[in-house]
Amino acid sequence: AQSVSQHNHHVILSEAASLELGCNYSYGGTVNLFWYVQYPGQHLQLLLKYFSGDPLVKGIKGFEAEFIKSKFSFNLRKPSVQWSDTAEYFCAVNPRPPGNTGKLIFGQGTTLQVKP
Amino acid sequence: EAQVTQNPRYLITVTGKKLTVTCSQNMNHEYMSWYRQDPGLGLRQIYYSMNVEVTDKGDVPEGYKVSRKEKRNFPLILESPSPNQTSLYFCASRPQGVGQETQYFGPGTRLLVL
Repeated sequence: AQSVSQHNHHVILSEAASLELGCNYSYGGTVNLFWYVQYPGQHLQLLLKYFSGDPLVKGIKGFEAEFIKSKFSFNLRKPSVQWSDTAEYFCAVNPRPPGNTGKLIFGQGTTLQVKP
Repeated sequence: EAQVTQNPRYLITVTGKKLTVTCSQNMNHEYMSWYRQDPGLGLRQIYYSMNVEVTDKGDVPEGYKVSRKEKRNFPLILESPSPNQTSLYFCASRPQGVGQETQYFGPGTRLLVL
């Protein structure tokens, strides 16, 4: 079955620390990859996405992610976090055709707490 | 402003009392979907719709119904809610074409079933 696994469920960092959140998926075919962020009390917002091309993608607010096809991974990184990055982060995968129902398969989420 | 709206945002109800959560998008998107978010489980798809009058089950459809009579609206119906349907619900939409797979999410509806 298709699944997405986020390794860290709860991460606590101090401001200016570097961040890396792991994401692995299980699907043998071609995928679209996403990272969404959910700030407290808000809806999901797209941070960045990968469809094809350069496997290192840059998103909003200084975030970036690298797609490593051989490892089925799409890890999220940020060199220096801020208190305002406190949020829940979701990795999601959209398997491409055949059998593409448009569904996003989400990981369990990682709660990031940044201490000022 | 391009957006997905949901109503109500918060709802407390009792077991067995039918309810509907509305979802509307103003972006002329063909594809719409409902997810539920539970702690430690991420978001799971309940139902989706590829276009008007075309709906199909997602991963957790039991206890839910949907309809897609108009392109902009995709209501989620709980005919007989139960406490295990207490959750945070998100509606999402996106265009149908290849390369258009980014989904846009509504603000969420927090449901408590007593």
